[in-house]
Amino acid sequence: DAEITQSPRHKITETGRQVTLACHQTWNHNNMFWYRQDLGHGLRLIHYSYGVQDTNKGEVSDGYSVSRSNTEDLPLTLESAASSQTSVYFCASSDGGGGENIQYFGAGTRLSVL
Amino acid sequence: DQQVKQNSPSLSVQEGRISILNCDYTNSMFDYFLWYKKYPAEGPTFLISISSIKDKNEDGRFTVFLNKSAKHLSLHIVPSQPGDSAVYFCAASAFGGGADGLTFGKGTHLIIQP
Repeated sequence: DAEITQSPRHKITETGRQVTLACHQTWNHNNMFWYRQDLGHGLRLIHYSYGVQDTNKGEVSDGYSVSRSNTEDLPLTLESAASSQTSVYFCASSDGGGGENIQYFGAGTRLSVL
Repeated sequence: DQQVKQNSPSLSVQEGRISILNCDYTNSMFDYFLWYKKYPAEGPTFLISISSIKDKNEDGRFTVFLNKSAKHLSLHIVPSQPGDSAVYFCAASAFGGGADGLTFGKGTHLIIQP
């Protein structure tokens, strides 16, 4: 079965460290997204990609970067982790065709920055 | 400025009765709306969606109603079951089948009482 997987599921790091969260999907979807979920904010868009070599900034992109070297993966990098980046991170993908924008989510990565 | 609002942080409903979850939006460019269900420590899972050209969409026990003039949508669950206890997110997308990210509300925690 096609799926979207995130790793690690839990991560503890220190302020100032570089951290990379992995996202891998086997649906062959062109579109991939990263969101963060915080109490009182719902899910907010960080970055997204329409395809290989394409990346775009979302609502809360400061301090984050992504790269898309193949269809299956969109890793999220925190260049210099800050305590404000403690959050739960979700990756999603969508086919985007047929007038629909149904996004399918991974199980999430809980990141703590100490 | 919140573009998608879920004004009820929680809702308690008796098993077998109807659950009604509400969502309001402010952005007139939104033309596709989705409901996601989320259990603790899992990613959001797609439940049902509706395009702005429709005013109702039904899938089994779940029905979504859209009132464009009022910029309001609601999710009806009939009958409510214990497994429906979860956080429900309303989400919206502009430009229909495009690849843009979703804008989420803060969620409503639905509790089904036995």
